[in-house]
Amino acid sequence: EVQLVESGGDLVQPGDSLRLSCAVSGFTVSSNYIGWVRQVPGKGLAWVSVIYSGGSTYYADFAKGRFTISRHSSENTVYLQMNSLRAEDTAIYYCARGNRYGYKNVYFDYWGQGTLVTVSS
Amino acid sequence: SSELTQPPSVSLSPGQTARITCSGDALPVQFAYWYQQKPGQAPVLIILKDNERPSGIPERFSGSSSGTTVTLTISGVRAEDEADYYCQSADKSGTYVTFGGGTKLTVL
Repeated sequence: EVQLVESGGDLVQPGDSLRLSCAVSGFTVSSNYIGWVRQVPGKGLAWVSVIYSGGSTYYADFAKGRFTISRHSSENTVYLQMNSLRAEDTAIYYCARGNRYGYKNVYFDYWGQGTLVTVSS
Repeated sequence: SSELTQPPSVSLSPGQTARITCSGDALPVQFAYWYQQKPGQAPVLIILKDNERPSGIPERFSGSSSGTTVTLTISGVRAEDEADYYCQSADKSGTYVTFGGGTKLTVL
């Protein structure tokens, strides 16, 4: 059974750093795409980042230079390191398994339940 | 990145047909995907590759594509279909994922 479980969400102050984890089971992170999507409570979905099976990484403009996605194959876990956090980064962060057809765009077929990050002084 | 535009809300009565549109410049060259999200839950994929249903998704959900617009159709809407619906695609290169702003479906 495919499962993704996020953890690491917390209340932090502006400028702080936080690392989110996405532990998966039922598939291997090294052979799949994994993405992070965030959602401000009551608002829409916003893509954050994705790591491809080959190791390439991509980020939304707001995440470039501040966030880093990585994976630990032996732990079957993907991480999102978030630095220089701002109040507008407050959101539920979901990790999701990605997939794609040929060289077309990635989509997300399995999602975790999310972890809440609150940035406030 | 390419933006995707959806209507903020759609309201209709049970049994009617809901059509939710999503417009974007990259849609002629990239696939569109649709997700359903109910309050307090994670999104669920309901349409892939513009018009295919994943296993387990009811037949009343369908998708179509025409140029820069894709449409999610829910035939015979039920109370349980009340949710937020999001389209997803990418920029023309296929690299940067984009989501529409979401459409709140209300079943009166």
